[in-house]
Amino acid sequence: GAVVSQHPSRVICKSGTSVKIECRSLDFQATTMFWYRQFPKQSLMLMATSNEGSKATYEQGVEKDKFLINHASLTLSTLTVTSAHPEDSSFYICSARKGGGNQPQHFGDGTRLSIL
Amino acid sequence: DAKTTQPNSMESNEEEPVHLPCNHSTISGTDYIHWYRQLPSQGPEYVIHGLTSNVNNRMASLAIAEDRKSSTLILHRATLRDAAVYYCITNAGKSTFGDGTTLTVKP
Repeated sequence: GAVVSQHPSRVICKSGTSVKIECRSLDFQATTMFWYRQFPKQSLMLMATSNEGSKATYEQGVEKDKFLINHASLTLSTLTVTSAHPEDSSFYICSARKGGGNQPQHFGDGTRLSIL
Repeated sequence: DAKTTQPNSMESNEEEPVHLPCNHSTISGTDYIHWYRQLPSQGPEYVIHGLTSNVNNRMASLAIAEDRKSSTLILHRATLRDAAVYYCITNAGKSTFGDGTTLTVKP
C-alpha cells in the first residue's frame, strides 16, 4: 500500500515553456504533500508544503509565482514550473503523507525536467 | 526540525549486518525519527520510523537511544540491492533532508 504516482517521469522542453507535474496518492488520502527538487549528487531540497484545500507554504528562496502548487483534492497535487529556463532543470520529487508528522512520507518516482 | 548528522559514506560486505548511525541531538519530545533510502534517479523509499521504542519491520530495525539524541538503522543482512543513500530525518510537521549516508555493499 501507500503508492504515490508522479507524472511525467521525464520532460524535455524549450525555454519559456510552462510545465505541469502531477502527484497522485493512489491508495490513501494525503492531507499533506511535499515538493522537492534535487540537483545531481545533492540531497533533496524542500520547495513547498501543501495541505489539501489551502495555499502552499513555500520555503525561503522559492518563488511562489514561478513554482505554482495546487492541492485541490486529497489525492492530487500539481506543481507548475512557469516560463521555465535552463536553470530550472532539475529532478523534481513529490511526496504524500496522511496525517501529521508521526506518519511517514511516501514518494513519487520523480520527474526529470530538462529545459533547452 | 531537528538537524541530523550522518556519516557521508559507509561500506558493508554482502550478507553482513550494517549499522547506520544518525545524530539528532536537538530533537524535540514529539518529533518522530524517520529513515528513507534513495536509489539513483528514483524517489526516496520509506524504510522505518519510530518515536522512543525500538522498531522492527520487514526491511530493517531502528534502535533509538534512551535520550533520543541518536538512532541507528540496522540492516540485518545487507544485499547488493541495499546499496543506496540513506537519510535520517526528524519532523513535527515538515521534512528537511540532510546529506545522508551513501552505503556501498561489496559482493
